[in-house]
Amino acid sequence: AQSVAQPEDQVNVAEGNPLTVKCTYSVSGNPYLFWYVQYPNRGLQFLLKYITGDNLVKGSYGFEAEFNKSQTSFHLKKPSALVSDSALYFCAVRDSVYGQNFVFGPGTRLSVLP
Amino acid sequence: EPEVTQTPSHQVTQMGQEVILRCVPISNHLYFYWYRQILGQKVEFLVSFYNNEISEKSEIFDDQFSVERPDGSNFTLKIRSTKLEDSAMYFCASSADGTNTEAFFGQGTRLTVV
Repeated sequence: AQSVAQPEDQVNVAEGNPLTVKCTYSVSGNPYLFWYVQYPNRGLQFLLKYITGDNLVKGSYGFEAEFNKSQTSFHLKKPSALVSDSALYFCAVRDSVYGQNFVFGPGTRLSVLP
Repeated sequence: EPEVTQTPSHQVTQMGQEVILRCVPISNHLYFYWYRQILGQKVEFLVSFYNNEISEKSEIFDDQFSVERPDGSNFTLKIRSTKLEDSAMYFCASSADGTNTEAFFGQGTRLTVV
């Protein structure tokens, strides 16, 4: 069965500094990996995905993520954090074998301090 | 930009009553999902729906839950006899396929059972 771990409940960074939100996964087949962001009282907004190809994928709002197959990781990064990036971030995985369902990690709350 | 819409945004119901949560997925999407989130925490999978039938469901999705696509556009979640612990944010989502495309989420229905 698929599973996703986000080892940090909370990440604090200063505005202008680089940020990393960590994600590791477990699947039976090949992973399809996704990052979503949730602002207060809102739905989940898609940021980026890795399906195949280049291990570094770029997404919305200057975010990028690096797929590392050997470490089964898909960490979300941004070179320079903004206060407006403060939100709840979810990593999700779909399994190429069992597919369909998106399995979400527990979420990481990012706080960017001015 | 196409979006998933959910109604109502907030539903208050008495314990034991039936509720129906409504969703209009993106029109050319084929896969539909219900997730729930309790108190801004983990996003939990309930059910996926494809080709007019349930394709996958979680252990949460017991006999009190049902889904339906009554008219080819709406996608509904019915909770037959609500319990206090059903209070949560319920998200509908849709995706174009069952493997490598992202899911688009609605803004959610906040269900409060009193």
